[in-house]
Amino acid sequence: DGGITQSPKYLFRKEGQNVTLSCEQNLNHDAMYWYRQDPGQGLRLIYYSQIVNDFQKGDIAEGYSVSREKKESFPLTVTSAQKNPTAFYLCASSFPGQGTEKLFFGSGTQLSVL
Amino acid sequence: SQQGEEDPQALSIQEGENATMNCSYKTSINNLQWYRQNSGRGLVHLILIRSNEREKHSGRLRVTLDTSKKSSSLLITASRAADTASYFCAHVTTDSWGKLQFGAGTQVVVTP
Repeated sequence: DGGITQSPKYLFRKEGQNVTLSCEQNLNHDAMYWYRQDPGQGLRLIYYSQIVNDFQKGDIAEGYSVSREKKESFPLTVTSAQKNPTAFYLCASSFPGQGTEKLFFGSGTQLSVL
Repeated sequence: SQQGEEDPQALSIQEGENATMNCSYKTSINNLQWYRQNSGRGLVHLILIRSNEREKHSGRLRVTLDTSKKSSSLLITASRAADTASYFCAHVTTDSWGKLQFGAGTQVVVTP
């Protein structure tokens, strides 16, 4: 059953703590993305990766870090430097193409601060 | 900001009625896409329209694109209660690699 799996579905962070959100895909996609969604708002791009061992900052990368050691995996770490981390985080993947980058999304992780 | 804007923010209709939502953007685009999001879930791709296309259909969905006005519309015909969701437009600009810029979305509620 192909798709994108995000875990956990709910995550709680204590002040000063780093937390890592998991994203795994078995679609054989080269590109992967992390988006942040705040209530009633659209998605904002945090980081993206076009290929293994390479990634670029999106529009709101401060306070976040990523790695891309495997094609299938693109974990996101929310560091203690991110002062307002409460949000819904969405991972996505795509085949990089010629401007036809349809995204496939995971089901999201809701991060809250204790 | 390169993000698009959607109108209306919310829409409430009855089953069987049509739902129309609009999206505007600011820069030249390669394509524009529409996504659907059920509450608390990920987004699902609905339809993609390229910059050289003016209209596209998929089942009960009809999308138009007017590049001179930098706007697009999504029409859902004969709506059903299961169409209740948020709908987002997203565009790929000509100067960005595959990075989608999302609008804030239109929340659609279809009552039986």
